[in-house]
Amino acid sequence: EAGVVQSPRYKIIEKKQPVAFWCNPISGHNTLYWYRQNLGQGPELLIRYENEEAVDDSQLPKDRFSAERLKGVDSTLKIQPAELGDSAVYLCASSFFSGGNEKLFFGSGTQLSVL
Amino acid sequence: GIQVEQSPPDLILQEGANSTLRCNFSDSVNNLQWFHQNPWGQLINLFYIPSGTKQNGRLSATTVATERYSLLYISSSQTTDSGVYFCAPPLNSGGSNYKLTFGKGTLLTVNP
Repeated sequence: EAGVVQSPRYKIIEKKQPVAFWCNPISGHNTLYWYRQNLGQGPELLIRYENEEAVDDSQLPKDRFSAERLKGVDSTLKIQPAELGDSAVYLCASSFFSGGNEKLFFGSGTQLSVL
Repeated sequence: GIQVEQSPPDLILQEGANSTLRCNFSDSVNNLQWFHQNPWGQLINLFYIPSGTKQNGRLSATTVATERYSLLYISSSQTTDSGVYFCAPPLNSGGSNYKLTFGKGTLLTVNP
């Protein structure tokens, strides 16, 4: 079974440029998350999708970040314009419920460097 | 929100040694997960452990929810155990991992 696939693996851009990350969740997983992980920290939730609906985007900096999940499958996360402080690893996760519990599967992440 | 403290922040072991990692959390929880992030950044779920003890090979985890802590035991450590170990209770109750709150993790290095 294929895991959560993210691309690109690495991205280096100059500040004020736009950037986009792509995520393909595990087939059949309705719930999708985007997390941001700063160096030396644990991941922090940015947005959660249930199918194509963003059920919680309260921690997404909406002035420059946007996300979409077309047809409730693949998702993209965009930053425009990028700032130096956006340098981080952006992780996508999908999940399913088993026995009343939700199990998350993470992708390998996109490491963003803003110069 | 819930506060998560993990200790120790760093741990260096010789291959074959045992270790215990601790996670303290500020609120009562009814589920908690442990993750391992390998040196290449991949996060893998190790345990879903709201209470009690679970074992998976050389790893086991115990959560004492009433005292707000969880422990991860690694026995006979191997170099492949290296990486960062995170505990993550969710913000809400129930079986959902909605808004998992990750600690800062314990960086484990196992030397051959």
